[in-house]
Amino acid sequence: AQKITQTQPGMFVQEKEAVTLDCTYDTSDPSYGLFWYKQPSSGEMIFLIYQGSYDQQNATEGRYSLNFQKARKSANLVISASQLGDSAMYFCAMREVTSNTGKLIFGQGTTLQVKP
Amino acid sequence: DVKVTQSSRYLVKRTGEKVFLECVQDMDHENMFWYRQDPGLGLRLIYFSYDVKMKEKGDIPEGYSVSREKKERFSLILESASTNQTSMYLCGSGRVNTGELFFGEGSRLTVL
Repeated sequence: AQKITQTQPGMFVQEKEAVTLDCTYDTSDPSYGLFWYKQPSSGEMIFLIYQGSYDQQNATEGRYSLNFQKARKSANLVISASQLGDSAMYFCAMREVTSNTGKLIFGQGTTLQVKP
Repeated sequence: DVKVTQSSRYLVKRTGEKVFLECVQDMDHENMFWYRQDPGLGLRLIYFSYDVKMKEKGDIPEGYSVSREKKERFSLILESASTNQTSMYLCGSGRVNTGELFFGEGSRLTVL
C-alpha cells in the first residue's frame, strides 16, 4: 500500500541557515508525483513544490528545492536561507498517477520553527 | 486568483447534532476532496468526488457522507456528530491527475 513517512515531528533552525525536512515514500506504482505543502498557523495549505517520478532533475522553486532520491524512495525538502515566516507545519504528499483519482496521500507533518 | 472557500472556520456542536461543512471552488476543477487533519496523523482522506453526483470513499469514511450537486460545491455531512469527530477539516480541489490540490483555510469542528 502507498505510504508517506515524515519522521521528524519538530525541527528548529536558525534564521538564514538551511534546513532539510525528511520524507520517505512507498509505492508500487512506477508513475507518481511528490508534493510539499506548508501550513502556517492560519490553517491554509500552501503548495510549495512538485517532483514527478520521471523528472530527471530535482525540482526547485525559489528557496525551496526537493532532494529526490528515487532508489531510496526519499523526497526531502530543502529550505535555504530560512526566514522567520518559514515557521509552519510542512507536509509531504504523494499522488499515484495511474490511480487516476488525483487524490493525495499525506505524511504526518513536520513542525518547523525558525529562531531569530 | 484561485480560491477554495470553506463555509465556517470554527464550529462548536453537541453530540448527536447534524453538521454540514460546505466547500466552494471557483477554478472549474473536476476533483474535490475532504480531508481530516489530526495531530501526529497528518491529513487523512474522508471522501472525494471526481464529477457532479459522483463520489468515492477515502480512507476514513465512517460517520461521514458527502454531496456534490454542482461542480463547484462539495459538502461534508456528519449525520450525528460524535466527540471523536472533533478535528480540523480541509477541503481541496484539483484537476484530474495533474497539478497540485488547492485547499481552503480549514474548518475546525469541536463536538461537545
